[in-house]
Amino acid sequence: DAKTTQPTSMDCAEGRAANLPCNHSTISGNEYVYWYRQIHSQGPQYIIHGLKNNETNEMASLIITEDRKSSTLILPHATLRDTAVYYCIVRVGGGSYIPTFGRGTSLIVHP
Amino acid sequence: GAVVSQHPSRVICKSGTSVKIECRSLDFQATTMFWYRQFPKQSLMLMATSNEGSKATYEQGVEKDKFLINHASLTLSTLTVTSAHPEDSSFYICSARTDSYRSSYEQYFGPGTRLTVT
Repeated sequence: DAKTTQPTSMDCAEGRAANLPCNHSTISGNEYVYWYRQIHSQGPQYIIHGLKNNETNEMASLIITEDRKSSTLILPHATLRDTAVYYCIVRVGGGSYIPTFGRGTSLIVHP
Repeated sequence: GAVVSQHPSRVICKSGTSVKIECRSLDFQATTMFWYRQFPKQSLMLMATSNEGSKATYEQGVEKDKFLINHASLTLSTLTVTSAHPEDSSFYICSARTDSYRSSYEQYFGPGTRLTVT
């Protein structure tokens, strides 16, 4: 699986948009971009994933650049409960995938 | 989405004893389950991958005789930490994957088990 690079930490104000970047310059054509988050002392939670088109769900939006070498997870209106570590993972879509996690981005949402 | 449960959520045991952690997929069948360990301020480290009815595949550096994994059914996997020592104190997280093309092979995580060995 392609390696990803994320900032170690970020912060944003409550109610503002949180934009979390991820670089994956070696991504292959059949690899998806997945985002998970882990709130302190809980298991990871799936947020969103995409292949090449931008995606949106009730939690977040995912913007993937045209060359697919980077992406941005957007939390449109961050709340204090969004404080967590966010992991960007690039993986194939099939059943052979073995999930591994990097260090992620620690997002702190402050009042 | 699919739900994965773990039991217990917290356990404290004495050094030298064994502890069993259960991982259940509540509303789907999980042919494959994964066990992770997470130390404070670190990322999740994959310990092993288990497939229902077969032996688990352990990652390099993980002692298979110390961390016994049993995946007896499509909804249950157990991790037993044998002869636990304080250095085994950690946050253990399981994950279950739906091995179905229609389910896009999605992976769902349990809430984790905090093990403290005294």
